[in-house]
This record gives sequence, C-alpha cells and structure tokens, in this order.
Amino acid sequence: DTGVSQDPRHKITKRGQNVTFRCDPISEHNRLYWYRQTLGQGPEFLTYFQNEAQLEKSRLLSDRFSAERPKGSFSTLEIQRTEQGDSAMYLCASSPQGLAKNIQYFGAGTRLSVL
Amino acid sequence: DQQVKQNSPSLSVQEGRISILNCDYTNSMFDYFLWYKKYPAEGPTFLISISSIKDKNEDGRFTVFLNKSAKHLSLHIVPSQPGDSAVYFCAAYTNFNKFYFGSGTKLNVKP
Repeated sequence: DTGVSQDPRHKITKRGQNVTFRCDPISEHNRLYWYRQTLGQGPEFLTYFQNEAQLEKSRLLSDRFSAERPKGSFSTLEIQRTEQGDSAMYLCASSPQGLAKNIQYFGAGTRLSVL
Repeated sequence: DQQVKQNSPSLSVQEGRISILNCDYTNSMFDYFLWYKKYPAEGPTFLISISSIKDKNEDGRFTVFLNKSAKHLSLHIVPSQPGDSAVYFCAAYTNFNKFYFGSGTKLNVKP
C-alpha cells in the first residue's frame, strides 16, 4: 500500500505531556497538509508544506504546535504541554504537483486523547 | 468563521433512489470545489471535483452541480447503493493553498 501513512493511529496522553505524530505522504507528492478534526466537524486546516518549506500556518496552530518536514518527505507534528482541548483526530494529506494539486490524499489519522 | 457549510447533518435514502447532498459557501474567491467520502476509521477519500468555471461535472453515478450566483453546490448520487453510506464532506479551495471543509453529511442508504 503506497497511500498516506500516519503513526500512531491512537495516542492517549496526560495533560501537560508532549506528543509527536508522524506522517509519510505518497512518495512523489511534494505538498503535505495537516488538519485537525473534532467530533461533528470537518477537517480544519493547520499547516501546509511544499517540499520542506512550511508555506502556510493557521491561527489555530498556537505556539504549542510545531510541524516540520525536514527533507521534504515525511512530516512530524508536535504538540507541547497538551491540553484537554487538543483531543481530536489529526489528519495528514498529500497532493502532487501540476493539475492534480487540488486533490488531496488523506491518511487514516491519529486520534489524540488528552486525559 | 465557517466559510463552507453543510446544513444537513444526515440524510437517509432508499437504495436505487437519488441522494442529493448540499453545500453552501460564503467566499467568492473559491475557485475549486471537491467532495470527499469518509468511512469510519479511514481518512477522507476524494470523490469528485469541479472548477468554478464549470457548472456541472459528472463521473459515473456521481454528479456535482455548482451555482456560483447562489454560492451553492450539490452532489447527486444516482442510483444510490448501500455501499454509498458514509459521511460526505464538501471542500473549497483558493489559490492560497488552503482548503476549507464543511462539517459533513452522513448518508445512510437503506437496502
């Protein structure tokens, strides 16, 4: 399977702990997106990378959140000092260059529960 | 501010009939629209899209209609099948590389 892979699938942590999620996009895709989805809502944009450059960040991405894509391949999303309000599904998506750039391919997500 | 809205949280349709899912948007700068389908425990998967220069796009049983003056798009599924039961999200895109998603409509197709 060469789709978008996210790890871990589930993460339970205590409030105040740091967590890190990983996303491996489809190999030839240069664009990578992170979203957050809460119950009953659609995905909310967090940040966007083109290759290794982080080109867009949502105001939802507070200073406790940081994302990297060091070599333009996989990406990590770190949340420091987690809060109960951070509990959500974190989705990663990738898209190719060119005419198909508007079509995103999503991973299955990482479900975060902050106790 | 929610720029893309799906006002129907759920829809139930009999197998073989038409399913119509609706989506409204507020930003006239959106130039591309997409529908995604999501099954439980999976990420959303792309279904069909339409550019703002068109008013209709068809792919098999799925047709998306865009009414720019009303800032409204709809997804028609004909005929509906039980395997179509899922949550459907509409999404809109601008050239600023940001996608905005609606809150989803859960479709249940009854056999």
